[in-house]
Amino acid sequence: DTGVSQNPRHKITKRGQNVTFRCDPISEHNRLYWYRQTLGQGPEFLTYFQNEAQLEKSRLLSDRFSAERPKGSFSTLEIQRTEQGDSAMYLCASSLALSGSYEQYFGPGTRLTVT
Amino acid sequence: AQSVAQPEDQVNVAEGNPLTVKCTYSVSGNPYLFWYVQYPNRGLQFLLKYITGDNLVKGSYGFEAEFNKSQTSFHLKKPSALVSDSALYFCAVRDWAAGNKLTFGGGTRVLVKP
Repeated sequence: DTGVSQNPRHKITKRGQNVTFRCDPISEHNRLYWYRQTLGQGPEFLTYFQNEAQLEKSRLLSDRFSAERPKGSFSTLEIQRTEQGDSAMYLCASSLALSGSYEQYFGPGTRLTVT
Repeated sequence: AQSVAQPEDQVNVAEGNPLTVKCTYSVSGNPYLFWYVQYPNRGLQFLLKYITGDNLVKGSYGFEAEFNKSQTSFHLKKPSALVSDSALYFCAVRDWAAGNKLTFGGGTRVLVKP
């Protein structure tokens, strides 16, 4: 079990550029989540997939944000036309849809800095 | 809407003393409650959960938490704190009627002094 992995770990970009992050969940997990964490705050839910279907999106997920999980395995989160307010840690988590097993396992995160 | 409050930004405790980190929640349905710990430049690590059953749940690294429905609380405890327990702790809730997302509190920084 290699855990949840995220790439890149750090990304510095200029305002207006597009960025894409990747998340590889724990291999047998069919649920995948994206959260955003700003300094001094708890993570905030962005979106959630079960297999390849995107089942829930937060109002925080503006039109500039898009997430995919094309084959129900890894997922990508793209931010278009980045703004300074997008600077945050982007966390990915995965879980197994199994009765009694509700905990989510988190990756190390991708820290985005928009200059 | 579900919410979580962690009333203390920081908790200081001497090594060997009991540690308590407070959490209260608000949900419309039955709560699923979780504690996570975050070390610098690392992701969140799962510590323990309450889904149903015994109000006292035990988790990793000697931590435990007590679910109190009447007080809507889920405080994290450790009988004897270690310096290595110094980290950021997050309480989270999932409302079973509101989907699979977790709602997190703002976090409590724990500093254990030798």
